[in-house]
Amino acid sequence: DVKVTQSSRYLVKRTGEKVFLECVQDMDHENMFWYRQDPGLGLRLIYFSYDVKMKEKGDIPEGYSVSREKKERFSLILESASTNQTSMYLCASSLMTGAHREAFFGQGTRLTVV
Amino acid sequence: QQPVQSPQAVILREGEDAVINCSSSKALYSVHWYRQKHGEAPVFLMILLKGGEQKGHEKISASFNEKKQQSSLYLTASQLSYSGTYFCGTPVGGTYKYIFGTGTRLKVLA
Repeated sequence: DVKVTQSSRYLVKRTGEKVFLECVQDMDHENMFWYRQDPGLGLRLIYFSYDVKMKEKGDIPEGYSVSREKKERFSLILESASTNQTSMYLCASSLMTGAHREAFFGQGTRLTVV
Repeated sequence: QQPVQSPQAVILREGEDAVINCSSSKALYSVHWYRQKHGEAPVFLMILLKGGEQKGHEKISASFNEKKQQSSLYLTASQLSYSGTYFCGTPVGGTYKYIFGTGTRLKVLA
């Protein structure tokens, strides 16, 4: 079974703090993704990576950055947390190409910025 | 670019049927459906490929009309365990990107 693990289930941070969300997958998947989930808006793509050190912006990258130094690990960084970044963050991984590259998810990190 | 799902939310009684739609403004090459139960991660249900319809598990099936850039999920004789939020997901052609629809919250009552 694919396992995608996010480092924290719940986080509370102060406005202006630098926040790191970590994600590790054990299936040797090339693609990794970060989404945020907000009521009524579904899952929106923040950033994704298709290889070590490679990253591409998703649909809502503003205020975020990412790091992928190892194939199994993909980190999301909030450079200066703001209250409008309070959300559920989901990490996912998938095979690189093909129609069958469904996503496998971590449990999510509920981040509250106060 | 995000696919739009309808309805946004639906409440059913056990045994009733429901249809969830996923519409895209861009071409769809394949569509995946997921279910997320409260407090859990989304879980893959089934894949729809161009030109085909594939039945999934339980009494859940789906169709894919690539011409209309739409997919529909059919839940038949719903059970309490069907409650959750359903998402369609799709790889974006020519890229490594993967995007999801806006989601549909389904609640099944006894």
